[in-house]
Amino acid sequence: AQSVAQPEDQVNVAEGNPLTVKCTYSVSGNPYLFWYAQYPNRGLQFLLKYITGDNLVKGSYGFEAEFNKSQTSFHLKKPSALVSDSALYFCAVRDPNNAGNMLTFGGGTRLMVKP
Amino acid sequence: DTEVTQTPKHLVMGMTNKKSLKCEQHMGHRAMYWYKQKAKKPPELMFVYSYEKLSINESVPSRFSPECPNSSLLNLHLHALQPEDSALYLCASSQEQGLNTEAFFGQGTRLTVV
Repeated sequence: AQSVAQPEDQVNVAEGNPLTVKCTYSVSGNPYLFWYAQYPNRGLQFLLKYITGDNLVKGSYGFEAEFNKSQTSFHLKKPSALVSDSALYFCAVRDPNNAGNMLTFGGGTRLMVKP
Repeated sequence: DTEVTQTPKHLVMGMTNKKSLKCEQHMGHRAMYWYKQKAKKPPELMFVYSYEKLSINESVPSRFSPECPNSSLLNLHLHALQPEDSALYLCASSQEQGLNTEAFFGQGTRLTVV
């Protein structure tokens, strides 16, 4: 079975401060990990993915994520938050041992960036 | 063109109506998906098409009927829905149904069943 957990329902950050949105995963094989952002009344926007290689992955809009195998985590980070980063963020995983390679989403974390 | 286009953006339908949601992509992607999303919840997979064939049906009730007329189009036919089916319906596509392929999502159709 595969699962992905986002332990925080909401994260509040002041504009200009660094932000971290947490994600942990549990898969039976090597994980394929993704982050998406959902802005109000919109679909999901792909930010970045980890497949293999460097543990630090850089993505769209200045976001990056760090893959940590020992802690089974894939936290999303940004050095300096913008008000426009306020959105609902989803971590997702594909498990190579899961038939169909389905994408499983975490419960989501609402990021609020205040001016 | 990196867009997935969904129409309509909003739909209100009665429980006896028949309606269809449409999704289109021109990225040459061979996998297309329907997801259902309730407010403040993650998307839930409904159907996957791979190379225009239904590959996954996540035990979705038969009142939802998917169709893939060609590699660019995906429809979701709705009939005799219930109020609890009200949700945001998201279409997505990916290059293939592979492990390392990210999915691109449309903006969704917000469906209200009255």
